[in-house]
Amino acid sequence: EDQVTQSPEALRLQEGESSSLNCSYTVSGLRGLFWYRQDPGKGPEFLFTLYSAGEEKEKERLKATLTKKESFLHITAPKPEDSATYLCAVQAIGANSKLTFGKGITLSVRP
Amino acid sequence: NAGVTQTPKFRVLKTGQSMTLLCAQDMNHEYMYWYRQDPGMGLRLIHYSVGEGTTAKGEVPDGYNVSRLKKQNFLLGLESAAPSQTSVYFCASSYSGEQYFGPGTRLTVT
Repeated sequence: EDQVTQSPEALRLQEGESSSLNCSYTVSGLRGLFWYRQDPGKGPEFLFTLYSAGEEKEKERLKATLTKKESFLHITAPKPEDSATYLCAVQAIGANSKLTFGKGITLSVRP
Repeated sequence: NAGVTQTPKFRVLKTGQSMTLLCAQDMNHEYMYWYRQDPGMGLRLIHYSVGEGTTAKGEVPDGYNVSRLKKQNFLLGLESAAPSQTSVYFCASSYSGEQYFGPGTRLTVT
């Protein structure tokens, strides 16, 4: 059974204080790992897809990296508008495009 | 493009009542999904569809039914609502990889 564990559950940062969010996974064969951002009262918004160990993707202050067992979402010099819940999901090979989600990490950035 | 839309946005039901949630997508995606999101539980897959006329069970299908009569629409039905079905429901669609989500329907069953 595919599993995704995200840590920590919640993270509070000062504006400008860089940090990383962790996503550990077990999957029979990884087709892709996905990061989403979810704001309160809204649906998840797609951020990145990573396909193989060593791959990195960047968008503004966010950088996602992937190893064979985990992914990190690095947030550089965060701003209050980066406050949100960040979700990680994996897609297994042959899974009919189904995703298995972690429970999310709630990030709060204080000004 | 509107992307993925959901109707209604909010609904309150009494135990035993029935209702249908509508999801529509204008991206010509083959795959569509229904999730529920509860505090501390994350997103859990209820049912999904790999194409028009097909449906399949996800992780938590009991108490729900779905239909995909048109490629762009995916309906989620509750035949006899229970308080345990109080949740936020999200629809999503995809081509093969990343899924795109609707804004959600907040359902309360009293």
